Amino acid sequence: GQNIDQPTEMTATEGAIVQINCTYQTSGFNGLFWYQQHAGEAPTFLSYNVLDGLEEKGRFSSFLSRSKGYSYLLLKELQMKDSASYLCAVRDGGGADGLTFGKGTHLIIQP
Amino acid sequence: SAVISQKPSRDICQRGTSLTIQCQVDSQVTMMFWYRQQPGQSLTLIATANQGSEATYESGFVIDKFPISRPNLTFSTLTVSNMSPEDSSIYLCSVLDRANTGELFFGEGSRLTVL
Repeated sequence: GQNIDQPTEMTATEGAIVQINCTYQTSGFNGLFWYQQHAGEAPTFLSYNVLDGLEEKGRFSSFLSRSKGYSYLLLKELQMKDSASYLCAVRDGGGADGLTFGKGTHLIIQP
Repeated sequence: SAVISQKPSRDICQRGTSLTIQCQVDSQVTMMFWYRQQPGQSLTLIATANQGSEATYESGFVIDKFPISRPNLTFSTLTVSNMSPEDSSIYLCSVLDRANTGELFFGEGSRLTVL
């Protein structure tokens, strides 16, 4: 079975740093993705990890540890527009290309 | 990146009726996916729409309830049949970007409310 866990909601302050954790238990693994979804909009792709380590892309970084079934998304220099849901998703391989999504973390940025 | 157009963007439907959602992509893609996002929930994969063959459905979803067409490499439809209030949801079409990381691109979604 598939199980992807992430916190339901987090609050952070504008200008600060926040780390959103994701743990997963899947039957296979072929990549972990982070998506951002603003209310009423479609998810947009943020990052992709398939090997262990840190991937940095501007203010956003994503980390993966395959042995621990763990990833995090790090957001720096938070802006009010970063208020959104952040979805962790796993491709479990096995010939399937669809993604399995976690329930998402609703991030609230306060001034 | 692919540009994906979905329609309708939203609709209010009566119980027992059916509605077909259309998804148009601006480039040819091999794989298209249909997801459902119920209020306050994350995305759940309904099925993979394959061109030239029947769709592949995930556990808990059946063809009679969610028939899918994929007549060519740029277009797909999802029908929500015999709707009930539990079908009120956002339905999203997505395509696989094999050229890069294999990420999914999503359409804007179709928000259905069933009364």
